[in-house]
Amino acid sequence: QKEVEQNSGPLSVPEGAIASLNCTYSDRGSQSFFWYRQYSGKSPELIMFIYSNGDKEDGRFTAQLNKASQYVSLLIRDSQPSDSATYLCAVNDKGGGNKLTFGTGTQLKVEL
Amino acid sequence: GAVVSQHPSRVICKSGTSVKIECRSLDFQATTMFWYRQFPKQSLMLMATSNEGSKATYEQGVEKDKFLINHASLTLSTLTVTSAHPEDSSFYICSAISLIDQPQHFGDGTRLSIL
Repeated sequence: QKEVEQNSGPLSVPEGAIASLNCTYSDRGSQSFFWYRQYSGKSPELIMFIYSNGDKEDGRFTAQLNKASQYVSLLIRDSQPSDSATYLCAVNDKGGGNKLTFGTGTQLKVEL
Repeated sequence: GAVVSQHPSRVICKSGTSVKIECRSLDFQATTMFWYRQFPKQSLMLMATSNEGSKATYEQGVEKDKFLINHASLTLSTLTVTSAHPEDSSFYICSAISLIDQPQHFGDGTRLSIL
């Protein structure tokens, strides 16, 4: 059973702070890693994807991947109230035909 | 780019009705489309994987005769919930990818309510 684990939260951070969201996965064969943002009642929206160990930055977002530790994280700098949402970690096993396994999501609250 | 359109956005109907949901890739050709279901406060659960011109692959526990999937072209997949019952009420979301290893892009979802 392939599993993707996330702390459900809520994670509360003050406006302007760095939010750190974490995810672990069980399948060492996992190849691709994705972060999606989902606002309440809406469908997921792609934020970042990462394939290789290390950091990948895109604006205020940084994804970090450590395959040895089976760990992927998302950092959000200068957090804004509009960042308040549920963040879903998803993992793709190439052998699984590009299917994604989703974590249950971490709810982020950015407070004024 | 990579826009996925899903229609309708909301459906309310009586028990026993069949409901069709469309998923279209607007600016790319989708080699594969996926159908998910999400219950309140739960994560997305994959129902089936749909490839153009071939039969859909259903996940364990998903009834293929109840959830009919057709992927007739590279831009359109449909999900039909046959003889829907209240327990089928959920948020149904499709996604599509254009090339192997590309991220899945999601439609806006369809909220289905069966009375």
